[in-house]
Amino acid sequence: AQKITQTQPGMFVQEKEAVTLDCTYDTSDPSYGLFWYKQPSSGEMIFLIYQGSYDQQNATEGRYSLNFQKARKSANLVISASQLGDSAMYFCAMRVDPSNSGGSNYKLTFGKGTLLTVNP
Amino acid sequence: DSGVTQTPKHLITATGQRVTLRCSPRSGDLSVYWYQQSLDQGLQFLIQYYNGEERAKGNILERFSAQQFPDLHSELNLSSLELGDSALYFCASSVEAFGQPEAFFGQGTRLTVV
Repeated sequence: AQKITQTQPGMFVQEKEAVTLDCTYDTSDPSYGLFWYKQPSSGEMIFLIYQGSYDQQNATEGRYSLNFQKARKSANLVISASQLGDSAMYFCAMRVDPSNSGGSNYKLTFGKGTLLTVNP
Repeated sequence: DSGVTQTPKHLITATGQRVTLRCSPRSGDLSVYWYQQSLDQGLQFLIQYYNGEERAKGNILERFSAQQFPDLHSELNLSSLELGDSALYFCASSVEAFGQPEAFFGQGTRLTVV
């Protein structure tokens, strides 16, 4: 079974500063993907960034980067130059390659989330 | 815009009632996933359909059922509703290939049971 742990229920950051949101994961599957989603107060789930378990480099998407430390099983999200609009709930999620077990379920397993508040 | 459409956006109903939530996946995506987001359970996978067939079940109650139609839209049916069923229900669609990273979520249906 897969498990995602986000230990920070809430985080505060000053506008224009960088912030790191923690995520650790647990799986015995060798092939998996890690995702970060943003959920603003309006409720929609917005995909931010993806890291594959075999990717050699850390993923980056604009102001978002993923600090992937495979041996530690961590996949922290770094947001640089925070903006007021970054205030939202952030979820880390994992998907394993179902073909390893002969299945075809690409479901996502989510952590509990971290509520980020950006202060002006 | 993710390309995944969910209707209705909000739903208020009484205990014991039955509701149907609808999802249209992105064009070309054959797979639909339903998730439930509640305050106590967080985001949980409910059920997956692929090209009209049920592929996997998660923590879905027996009072809940789903189906996927030939045009690939999916419906989640919730019956004998209880107060604890109040939640945000998401539908997501994705390409069925592990190398494709994104799962695209709809805007969700917020269900309130009173």
